[in-house]
Amino acid sequence: IAGITQAPTSQILAAGRRMTLRCTQDMRHNAMYWYRQDLGLGLRLIHYSNTAGTTGKGEVPDGYSVSRANTDDFPLTLASAVPSQTSVYFCASSDQAGSTDTQYFGPGTRLTVL
Amino acid sequence: AQRVTQPEKLLSVFKGAPVELKCNYSYSGSPELFWYVQYSRQRLQLLLRHISRESIKGFTADLNKGETSFHLKKPFAQEEDSAMYYCALKYSSASKIIFGSGTRLSIRP
Repeated sequence: IAGITQAPTSQILAAGRRMTLRCTQDMRHNAMYWYRQDLGLGLRLIHYSNTAGTTGKGEVPDGYSVSRANTDDFPLTLASAVPSQTSVYFCASSDQAGSTDTQYFGPGTRLTVL
Repeated sequence: AQRVTQPEKLLSVFKGAPVELKCNYSYSGSPELFWYVQYSRQRLQLLLRHISRESIKGFTADLNKGETSFHLKKPFAQEEDSAMYYCALKYSSASKIIFGSGTRLSIRP
């Protein structure tokens, strides 16, 4: 069982380019999340999805979009990347139905926008 | 608005010394609080949650509603405790969690 996987591991991107970060989980968790981790700011929620077919905005959603076509996948898209989106991005999932609220995190994607 | 504050960016203590990582929160509802840990080259993972009232790896944390705090404590630090620690608050029924800015704990031999 892989848990949560993210791809790519790291990426250098030119400003203005479109980029999709991939996230897949095999735990059949209904809730999934995207965070960005920045020094001194901790983790900030970008978008979340409580169940397949629904999404919601977190603390810092501007410049990002997500989709949740099925339970397993939750891609994050930067339509036109800007340098301020340089960060480490973490995907997470949780089993809300089990009410444990424990979030399980992926290994992260390090994104650099030049 | 809900907020989680970790006032210390870095905490350095000697092996065997007591450790206390501070966390304060602001939330008008009934809080659910967690501590997450990220060891070097590992994924962020749950350390403990206040509901469970458990001790994990010798760490404990007590929710103090009067002081709106959830400090993480360990009586005797070990070198393997060196990591980044995040305090987190669940603030809606959608299981949205807000994280503090993190404290890097460094244990000196």
